[in-house]
Amino acid sequence: DSGVTQTPKHLITATGQRVTLRCSPRSGDLSVYWYQQSLDQGLQFLIQYYNGEERAKGNILERFSAQQFPDLHSELNLSSLELGDSALYFCASSADGSTYGYTFGSGTRLTVV
Amino acid sequence: AQSVTQLGSHVSVSEGALVLLRCNYSSSVPPYLFWYVQYPNQGLQLLLKYTTGATLVKGINGFEAEFKKSETSFHLTKPSAHMSDAAEYFCAVSDHTGGSYIPTFGRGTSLIVHP
Repeated sequence: DSGVTQTPKHLITATGQRVTLRCSPRSGDLSVYWYQQSLDQGLQFLIQYYNGEERAKGNILERFSAQQFPDLHSELNLSSLELGDSALYFCASSADGSTYGYTFGSGTRLTVV
Repeated sequence: AQSVTQLGSHVSVSEGALVLLRCNYSSSVPPYLFWYVQYPNQGLQLLLKYTTGATLVKGINGFEAEFKKSETSFHLTKPSAHMSDAAEYFCAVSDHTGGSYIPTFGRGTSLIVHP
């Protein structure tokens, strides 16, 4: 158990729908990162939050949004889903995102049908 | 901009043989370098990291990697492969973007270990 908790583990939904993925970071970690892993694109950075504020943004689509709450858990919202959004979505956390590497959760597998 | 190239999407070795997974990077600033391992249906787990100091870095499970600035490489090695080493391995380079370090990951190398 890495200490980073992601729910749900699996999600199957239809095109056009909206889903929310949840991440609870490791105790004491202030920074949360979201990644998308697909066979086509590999592991792509989406967005980072640090203590509730957006810190960095990567290749995140406008249909996707995220936030980090006061208790430091984070949610990734995916809307108007397309078949191509099917992927593994990982959350990672770190104390400050600088030198200590990341602790990853086990991911949410999203299947859009 | 930073990038990572992992040579070989698949590497096959026999149990007990040397493991060598190659990683080359590009970075405009002194990099932080990482190797992660991903077992099936699991998240990525940090194997080892280089930030500053000694260029030969030892990690978990007997793996080590050497930072060679002149070759912009950070190859991962293990003297003797074990069946349990079969997994996907990712090299990552970290740069400084907007006040935080966001690693860029390579496409991964699948290590296959034959008995």
